[in-house]
Amino acid sequence: DGGITQSPKYLFRKEGQNVTLSCEQNLNHDAMYWYRQDPGQGLRLIYYSQIVNDFQKGDIAEGYSVSREKKESFPLTVTSAQKNPTAFYLCASRDRGRFTEAFFGQGTRLTVV
Amino acid sequence: DAKTTQPPSMDCAEGRAANLPCNHSTISGNEYVYWYRQIHSQGPQYIIHGLKNNETNEMASLIITEDRKSSTLILPHATLRDTAVYYCIVNSGGSNYKLTFGKGTLLTVNP
Repeated sequence: DGGITQSPKYLFRKEGQNVTLSCEQNLNHDAMYWYRQDPGQGLRLIYYSQIVNDFQKGDIAEGYSVSREKKESFPLTVTSAQKNPTAFYLCASRDRGRFTEAFFGQGTRLTVV
Repeated sequence: DAKTTQPPSMDCAEGRAANLPCNHSTISGNEYVYWYRQIHSQGPQYIIHGLKNNETNEMASLIITEDRKSSTLILPHATLRDTAVYYCIVNSGGSNYKLTFGKGTLLTVNP
């Protein structure tokens, strides 16, 4: 089945460690996105990528890094510079075109202790 | 992208119609209105979109005002499973890839 997969579903890390969240899609979509969600809050855009080897900062990129070496993959690294990394992280993808819907993964809940 | 404004929360009785408003007064002519919903701790799911005409699908109806400055998502017969956060966003698509969401409206359907 086509879709977008995030792994793992739950992730625990010690403070000061970098951690990488995986996002893979087999929908052949050009654009991919990372969002952060805190309790009771909406989705805030971290980074997005329109095409392989290119990506742009979203609204809250500080403390995060991404890469887009393959069309189907868009991993997010939460670095030790991120002050409050504990959150629910969502990945999405979307095809190019005038109207296209975004497809979301099921999310990764990161807890830093 | 144009900014959207939604009420933070709404309640609806099971079986009744749920009408969720969205204000997008700065929408430009080539921007679509999209609605998504997010059930607790899951990824958001696309519901419906429209440009200027009213739209209906198996999930919902979308009513866009003539001046396009606001819209209403209608769930005709709300069920308990419709309890979720509903997001209204606008985007022109095409080469405008940036996709931003606000806080949405938490719809609670009560038995």
